[in-house]
Amino acid sequence: GDSVTQMEGPVTLSEEAFLTINCTYTATGYPSLFWYVQYPGEGLQLLLKATKADDKGSNKGFEATYRKETTSFHLEKGSVQVSDSAVYFCALINGGTSYGKLTFGQGTILTVHP
Amino acid sequence: SQTIHQWPATLVQPVGSPLSLECTVEGTSNPNLYWYRQAAGRGLQLLFYSVGIGQISSEVPQNLSASRPQDRQFILSSKKLLLSDSGFYLCAWTRGGKAFFGQGTRLTVV
Repeated sequence: GDSVTQMEGPVTLSEEAFLTINCTYTATGYPSLFWYVQYPGEGLQLLLKATKADDKGSNKGFEATYRKETTSFHLEKGSVQVSDSAVYFCALINGGTSYGKLTFGQGTILTVHP
Repeated sequence: SQTIHQWPATLVQPVGSPLSLECTVEGTSNPNLYWYRQAAGRGLQLLFYSVGIGQISSEVPQNLSASRPQDRQFILSSKKLLLSDSGFYLCAWTRGGKAFFGQGTRLTVV
């Protein structure tokens, strides 16, 4: 079945450091890929997405590129802020139909210190 | 507009009591519906998945059940709660690559 594997956390960085959170997936067909963020005490929010190979999703300074050859969708940000502290989830919806199932990675906790 | 409503936001229930969490969707038809649980300090665990009315797939064996009595209504239930049922429960829907989440329910079983 489909699966998403994220790098294990927690990840602790200083403000203005470079961030990479690795995400790889296993899926048949052509999944859409997502990054979701959960800030402390809040629900999940869509951060960015990419629907086909080589697409780059971007939002709030975060970027991720859909790499089909390496089945990866790594999340990056050039300079993190304390306000970026949150749990980040990589996810996929498989197939081009309406019946794709949403599959999450286990989540990566990011803590940014001043 | 496409939205999802989940309630209640927080709930404290005694061990052995029943549970009913409701999720309703607006602005779409025939969505895929999901119930996830997030235990403290852990990732999201898919509990149930539904592709249509009355169609429920259970991903993990547990003390909970789900029902979909209408196209845009998804209910998570338990007859007798356990302490281990405490956690953050999240309803979601997807259709054609879009995904939306409810605000979640913080359940504390005491």
